[in-house]
Amino acid sequence: DTAVSQTPKYLVTQMGNDKSIKCEQNLGHDTMYWYKQDSKKFLKIMFSYNNKELIINETVPNRFSPKSPDKAHLNLHINSLELGDSAVYFCASSPPRGGPAGELFFGEGSRLTVL
Amino acid sequence: AQTVTQSQPEMSVQEAETVTLSCTYDTSENNYYLFWYKQPPSRQMILVIRQEAYKQQNATENRFSVNFQKAAKSFSLKISDSQLGDTAMYFCAFIGYNNNDMRFGAGTRLTVKP
Repeated sequence: DTAVSQTPKYLVTQMGNDKSIKCEQNLGHDTMYWYKQDSKKFLKIMFSYNNKELIINETVPNRFSPKSPDKAHLNLHINSLELGDSAVYFCASSPPRGGPAGELFFGEGSRLTVL
Repeated sequence: AQTVTQSQPEMSVQEAETVTLSCTYDTSENNYYLFWYKQPPSRQMILVIRQEAYKQQNATENRFSVNFQKAAKSFSLKISDSQLGDTAMYFCAFIGYNNNDMRFGAGTRLTVKP
């Protein structure tokens, strides 16, 4: 039973296209995240939602738009893809504070390649 | 803003030996959590060990233990009896008690040699 699942796992597309990555968690967590891992393996937070409300919005191009239809889902839509968007995108969730020590539960990552 | 520094980009260790990965962090908060995550070639992020800042006792999980020095803002990971399956990227991470922003270090690539 996958706790945090992302689709697709791999995505290859052309510059200028629009693509989406979906994320779902079945852990009952209130908070969900998108992280970007670049080619040097550096992990950087992009967005965080708590109960469908945006609470963290790092300096990310506005071509990236997260959407949380409910607290179990957080999708990432990317418009006008650029070469520099190539990366692995991780979805994660965490329990409310006061729960198990702030741990993040990660999905398997979605590798996006922009040609 | 909190920062997490891992000063060892790469390390290697012989199977069955012990290795220590370093991590330092900078914060003005008094209550927070620290973590070590492992990322094997499968790219899945796996929690190795966690430490709550208010606990003085160092966390231990089987072959993995930490040396948490709060005053020095240091949080190293010791892997004992290294196994081939420990080969992975290891990330140190910090999150404040009352926020939702987990910050990661740049990672240390560990190779366990047979």
